[in-house]
Amino acid sequence: EDQVTQSPEALRLQEGESSSLNCSYTVSGLRGLFWYRQDPGKGPEFLFTLYSAGEEKEKERLKATLTKKESFLHITAPKPEDSATYLCAVRENAGNMLTFGGGTRLMVKP
Amino acid sequence: ETGVTQSPTHLIKTRGQQVTLRCSSQSGHNTVSWYQQALGQGPQFIFQYYREEENGRGNFPPRFSGLQFPNYSSELNVNALELDDSALYLCASSSFGETQYFGPGTRLLVL
Repeated sequence: EDQVTQSPEALRLQEGESSSLNCSYTVSGLRGLFWYRQDPGKGPEFLFTLYSAGEEKEKERLKATLTKKESFLHITAPKPEDSATYLCAVRENAGNMLTFGGGTRLMVKP
Repeated sequence: ETGVTQSPTHLIKTRGQQVTLRCSSQSGHNTVSWYQQALGQGPQFIFQYYREEENGRGNFPPRFSGLQFPNYSSELNVNALELDDSALYLCASSSFGETQYFGPGTRLLVL
């Protein structure tokens, strides 16, 4: 059974204070690892897809990386508007369902 | 390009009632997946529809059922509502096997 664990559950940063969010996963055959951003009461917004170990993707202040056991979402010089819950999900080779972690709630203070 | 839309945005039902939630896919997408998200947790996969057929199901009882229509829109039906069914219900559309894009969700409260 696929498992996805995100840490920390919550993270408070000062504006400009860089940090990383972790997503550890167990899957029989990884077909893709996905990062989404979710604002309160809204649907998840797609950020990145990573397919193989060593792959990296960047978008503005965010950079996602992937190893065979985990993924990191690095946030460089965050701003208050980066405050949200960040969700990680995996899709295995055998199916099309996404298995999500519990999310990391990020709060960036000005 | 129109994104994924869901209706209604909010719904209040009482225990034992039935509910139907609706989803319109993003243009060009042929696959719809439904997820349940309890407060403070990640989304849980309910089922997926591709070409009007169920194409995968998560650990949810048969009282959760669905439909996909020829225009790729979809419905989620839940019978005999229970208090624990209170959650945000998310619909995601995609081309088969590709990245899933989520709608805004329907917030269901069961009293």
